[in-house]
Amino acid sequence: DIQMTQSPSSLSASVGDRVTITCRASQAVSNYLAWYQQKPGKVPKLLIYAASTLQSGVPSRFSGSRSGTDFTLTISSLQPEDVATYYCQKYNSAPLTFGGGTEVEIK
Amino acid sequence: EVQLLESGGGLVQPGGSLRLSCVASGFSFTTYAMSWVRQAPGKGLEWVSAVTGNDDTTYYADSVKGRFTISRDNSQNTLYLQMNSLRAEDTAVYFCAKMRGLNLAAINYWGQGTLVTVSS
Repeated sequence: DIQMTQSPSSLSASVGDRVTITCRASQAVSNYLAWYQQKPGKVPKLLIYAASTLQSGVPSRFSGSRSGTDFTLTISSLQPEDVATYYCQKYNSAPLTFGGGTEVEIK
Repeated sequence: EVQLLESGGGLVQPGGSLRLSCVASGFSFTTYAMSWVRQAPGKGLEWVSAVTGNDDTTYYADSVKGRFTISRDNSQNTLYLQMNSLRAEDTAVYFCAKMRGLNLAAINYWGQGTLVTVSS
């Protein structure tokens, strides 16, 4: 099975900082990669699908990119409401594995 | 408005069974794949199972294969997860989830979740 390795597992950044989270697939998944945001005590929310397509209603400070089997979620200017855990998920084939998550906090 | 309402969670002894239900509304249920995702207390997300929206093809995580069965009743807009031979490590909040397309896809809607606790 394809493994999804997210890094870092946690980060602390200041409001306005550019934040980057990486997800590496152990094998090719093409563009079948989604990013989710889960705020404390809430259900996950889809941010990006197809590696770089922004879900409707998601602020434009969120973006996704792909380079081979490496995927990146970028928050261009971190806001207080972005405190959450972020997960990647591959969905090219089963199992639809999630990454381990990246916890983002404000410094 | 898309709504997914799970039920059926609770406390069960190891080796026992539970059936989770998820009633969907606000979209054409038959034309979307559906999934179950779980989250153990304080842990990350774990995909459990999915069923397509066209030919009802089913998929399972290795951790539940042979013990859990996903199914859907399109006439009732309801998704099910039959869980047998439950283990302590199955303890989690189980989310019902709608995928973006007929086949495997990203998840664009989530239910609020139902807690399953496996303990003696």
